[in-house]
Amino acid sequence: DVKVTQSSRYLVKRTGEKVFLECVQDMDHENMFWYRQDPGLGLRLIYFSYDVKMKEKGDIPEGYSVSREKKERFSLILESASTNQTSMYLCASSLASVGGQPQHFGDGTRLSIL
Amino acid sequence: AQSVTQLDSQVPVFEEAPVELRCNYSSSVSVYLFWYVQYPNQGLQLLLKYLSGSTLVESINGFEAEFNKSQTSFHLRKPSVHISDTAEYFCAVSLGNTGFQKLVFGTGTRLLVSP
Repeated sequence: DVKVTQSSRYLVKRTGEKVFLECVQDMDHENMFWYRQDPGLGLRLIYFSYDVKMKEKGDIPEGYSVSREKKERFSLILESASTNQTSMYLCASSLASVGGQPQHFGDGTRLSIL
Repeated sequence: AQSVTQLDSQVPVFEEAPVELRCNYSSSVSVYLFWYVQYPNQGLQLLLKYLSGSTLVESINGFEAEFNKSQTSFHLRKPSVHISDTAEYFCAVSLGNTGFQKLVFGTGTRLLVSP
């Protein structure tokens, strides 16, 4: 089974802090994704990566950056955390082969910015 | 651009009753369709997927979904729900002919099963 592990289940940070959310997958997947989930809005894509050191903006990249130095690890960075970034953050990975590959999700990090 | 609509934000139902969670999508090209389930305080788990072939797809826990191309729908059904089916369900679509598979999600439907 694919295992996607997010380093923290719950995280509390202060406004203005630099925040790192880490995600590791163990199935040699090429694609990795970061979403945020908010009530009534579903999942919104922040950033994704299809290869090491490659990154692409998703639908809501403002205020975020990412890093992918190794294939198995994809980090989300909040450069200067703000209260409107309080949310559930979900990491996912998938194979980059023929179409129809499902994404596999971690358990999420519930981030609170005070 | 693709979009996914889940009209029902919440569906209350009694245990052992049938349920249908609706999903409609918009796309001018062929698509792959997915249903994911999210139990409280967990990430999303793949429930079932339609890639090609038979328009009716089934999951191991009794859910099924039917791909209807003419109505651009992929509704999820279960003939008899359990308390343990209480969760949030997300419909998602990805384009069928691109090299990189991004998913577009609906806003989710919360299924509430009561005794």
